[in-house]
Amino acid sequence: SQQGEEDPQALSIQEGENATMNCSYKTSINNLQWYRQNSGRGLVHLILIRSNEREKHSGRLRVTLDTSKKSSSLLITASRAADTASYFCATDASQSPSNYQLIWGAGTKLIIKP
Amino acid sequence: SQTIHQWPATLVQPVGSPLSLECTVEGTSNPNLYWYRQAAGRGLQLLFYSVGIGQISSEVPQNLSASRPQDRQFILSSKKLLLSDSGFYLCAWSAMSAAIYGYTFGSGTRLTVV
Repeated sequence: SQQGEEDPQALSIQEGENATMNCSYKTSINNLQWYRQNSGRGLVHLILIRSNEREKHSGRLRVTLDTSKKSSSLLITASRAADTASYFCATDASQSPSNYQLIWGAGTKLIIKP
Repeated sequence: SQTIHQWPATLVQPVGSPLSLECTVEGTSNPNLYWYRQAAGRGLQLLFYSVGIGQISSEVPQNLSASRPQDRQFILSSKKLLLSDSGFYLCAWSAMSAAIYGYTFGSGTRLTVV
């Protein structure tokens, strides 16, 4: 089942602008992860944020987590053409009997216009 | 460093033909291994996961099967492909819990059943 829901489904911005993508989820979580997928390729792990963290940075990426609203945002600052990709959030479900699964959203397709 | 290899990159198969996709991991021992399918413009659907040699868990009923003959080898098979088996198949591995360490994905196989 899909727990994470990203919005917007698609986002097109000019190079140099900031891109913000959001993810909402339904059940309690331990962690939330963001991945990037270039067209026709595998997914690349970007960043993991734990449920007791509110904000995390990695280079030009900034992730926030609001557990009261069950939502997370991924901000890419000073976007580049190479950031064009689909971005997915994935959560574990803290009540899940298995810690092997992540639950995925449908992704946000980001297009950076040169 | 750990690497994951998945092949072939693309495959066109007729309905009713068999399937074998292979995935191998290097640089780590006893990884958790996963097969995912991704429909066009959608998130990921977990098909199988394995926590050890010969240990396979299936998440969705279908005409696909998986096997793990060696510690770092994971194979996705079908005896008779259906049109609905078309999609993008991704192999991934994680250390211990994917919810804590995240996944490392292969580059994917684009399967078209005709």
